[in-house]
Amino acid sequence: EVQLVESGGDLVQPGRSLRLSCAASGFNFGVYAMSWVRQVPGKGLEWVSTISWNSLRTYYADSVKGRFSISRDNAKNSLYLQMNSLRPEDTALYYCAKGADIAEAYMDVWGKGTTVTVSS
Amino acid sequence: DIQMTQSPSSLSASVGDRVTITCRASQGIRNSLAWFQQKPGKAPKSLIYAASTLQSGVPSKFSGSGSGTDFTLTIGSLQPDDFATYYCQQYSSYPLTFGGGTKVEI
Repeated sequence: EVQLVESGGDLVQPGRSLRLSCAASGFNFGVYAMSWVRQVPGKGLEWVSTISWNSLRTYYADSVKGRFSISRDNAKNSLYLQMNSLRPEDTALYYCAKGADIAEAYMDVWGKGTTVTVSS
Repeated sequence: DIQMTQSPSSLSASVGDRVTITCRASQGIRNSLAWFQQKPGKAPKSLIYAASTLQSGVPSKFSGSGSGTDFTLTIGSLQPDDFATYYCQQYSSYPLTFGGGTKVEI
């Protein structure tokens, strides 16, 4: 069974850093692009970042560019999101999602999410 | 950036009804469109990709159509389990963008 389990969410103060992790299982992690998507409670979905299977290509939403960094360790079947200079507007549930065979940017499997709260 | 506009933002329907949700892209995206279903407190679930291809395991009462800028998701014979929020998403180019969602209520 394909499974994605996010962790690392926490309550942090504005300006601080946080690192999210996503543990993948049930598929050949190293050949698929992976993404992060976030959702403010009660609001819609916002794409955050995508990384190619070999880490050569990374993409970011303008709202996080320069502050967040996506990475992966294919040997550990893990995806990461390093979040620096956090702002209150980064408060959200962060989902990890797997890219599909047909297109890396189509996210066919999602984790359950981890909650990040940025507040003083 | 490609803007995705969904309509309506919410709709009320009854069990057994057929409903249609529309999604419009601000520029042509060929058929690079996906639909997701999200229930309260749950992660999004993929329903359709390439505008009209059903994700494995998704019942055939869900169907999608469209190409270019205009797309539709149709749910035939609504059942209690179908009441949820539905999102479209374009994956034609970065930044990836989602529609604002359509909440289907009883």
